[in-house]
Amino acid sequence: SAVISQKPSRDICQRGTSLTIQCQVDSQVTMMFWYRQQPGQSLTLIATANQGSEATYESGFVIDKFPISRPNLTFSTLTVSNMSPEDSSIYLCSGAGNYEQYFGPGTRLTVT
Amino acid sequence: AQSVTQPDIHITVSEGASLELRCNYSYGATPYLFWYVQSPGQGLQLLLKYFSGDTLVQGIKGFEAEFKRSQSSFNLRKPSVHWSDAAEYFCAVGFMEYGNKLVFGAGTILRVKS
Repeated sequence: SAVISQKPSRDICQRGTSLTIQCQVDSQVTMMFWYRQQPGQSLTLIATANQGSEATYESGFVIDKFPISRPNLTFSTLTVSNMSPEDSSIYLCSGAGNYEQYFGPGTRLTVT
Repeated sequence: AQSVTQPDIHITVSEGASLELRCNYSYGATPYLFWYVQSPGQGLQLLLKYFSGDTLVQGIKGFEAEFKRSQSSFNLRKPSVHWSDAAEYFCAVGFMEYGNKLVFGAGTILRVKS
C-alpha cells in the first residue's frame, strides 16, 4: 500500500485569499486524485491530477478555482483560489495503483 | 449515471452485537467495490475491496463484505462489534474505464453503545 502525506493538516484563511495544499506519496502511483469533503458530507471528486499535463476536472469544478499540478509521479498540489466560506471543507488527496486507492489524512480548511 | 446508495445514515449497535451496513450501486458493468472507514478527524482507511472471484471478501479489523450481483449490493458485516469500531463507513465504487475514479456513498455513522 502507499503512504500519503498532506501539508498543511489544517488552516484558517481569510476570504479572498488562496491556499496551496501539498500531497506526497511514498511510492510511485499511476493516478492521483483530489477530493473535497464538505462538513457532514461524503467525498466528492474534484479532479484527476495528471503528471506533466493539465488536470481533468469533474463537473462543477474549474481550473481557475482549483488549479492542480503534478510535476512527477509522487507529488501533487491543489490550490483553492479566491476562497469563500463555502470552500470550508476537508480536502483529501489519494493515490491509486493496482486498482487500490489510498488516501491522505486530509487538510481541514476553514475560511472566515 | 453511476451512483452509490447507503440507505442508513446512522446505525447504533451494542458492543458485541453483529453489524451489517448496506450498500447498493448503480452501474452497467461489474464494478470494483470498496469499503472505507473514517474515524473522527482522520483520513480514510481501506477496509476491504472486491474486484472479481469469490464474492465474500475478508478485510481488516474482522470485517467482511459480500458482493451480490443480482441485488447490486456490497454489504459490510462484522460478527461482533467493538467500541473502537465507532466511526463513519463509506462504500465506494470504482470505474476503471474512467481511470480508477471512485464514487462514494453518503456514508453511515456507526455508534456503539456499551
